[in-house]
Amino acid sequence: QVQLVESGGGLVKPGGSLRLSCAASGFTFGIFYMGWVRQAPGRGLEWVSYMSSSSLTISYADSVKGRFTISRDNAENSLYLQMDSLRAEDTATYYCVRHDGDNYPDYWGQGTLVTVSS
Amino acid sequence: QSVLTQPPSASGTPGQTVTISCSGSNSNIGSKLVYWYQQVPGTAPKLLISKTDRRPSGVPDRFSGSKSGNSASLVISGLRSEDEGDYYCAAWDARLSGRNLFGTGTKVTVL
Repeated sequence: QVQLVESGGGLVKPGGSLRLSCAASGFTFGIFYMGWVRQAPGRGLEWVSYMSSSSLTISYADSVKGRFTISRDNAENSLYLQMDSLRAEDTATYYCVRHDGDNYPDYWGQGTLVTVSS
Repeated sequence: QSVLTQPPSASGTPGQTVTISCSGSNSNIGSKLVYWYQQVPGTAPKLLISKTDRRPSGVPDRFSGSKSGNSASLVISGLRSEDEGDYYCAAWDARLSGRNLFGTGTKVTVL
């Protein structure tokens, strides 16, 4: 079955950096678009970024553009999110998601919490 | 900020029918597929309705989705206690700038 396991969350100071990882299994990773969705404490879902199977198509939410970088390693079945210049408003649970053929999330990981605070 | 507007809350007693609306525009719901996600408290979201009106394998037929014009709806028939949670609609917006995906979310309470 499809499994997505995030790691790398934690406490970081404003202006700091963090790299999230997502280990995928149970499906052919290299043929699916993948992405990240976040949820601030007590708030709704916010799309962050997605990347095509070939890494040629990448899109970011305006709120993270220029600060976050999505990448993937199809040989390792892994997705990454490099987060730089972190702000308090980036505090959230970050979910790794697989996208279906219409580019909507169909499977979600359990999430990893990122807290940006001094 | 989301451009897909949902009512903040909805409720019903067990066995009742609850309808959740999702209001958008020509550039999103009016021209794109709509998906619905369920998030039970303390867990990750789960896909509930795909491609506007299709139920993924394992989703009970008590859940149904539809769309008309620039609005979409999720109907929960025969409400059960385990349906309590947050529900989000989703539709890509054709405008690249400021694009968003998810609706504002609706908290469903089973009375």
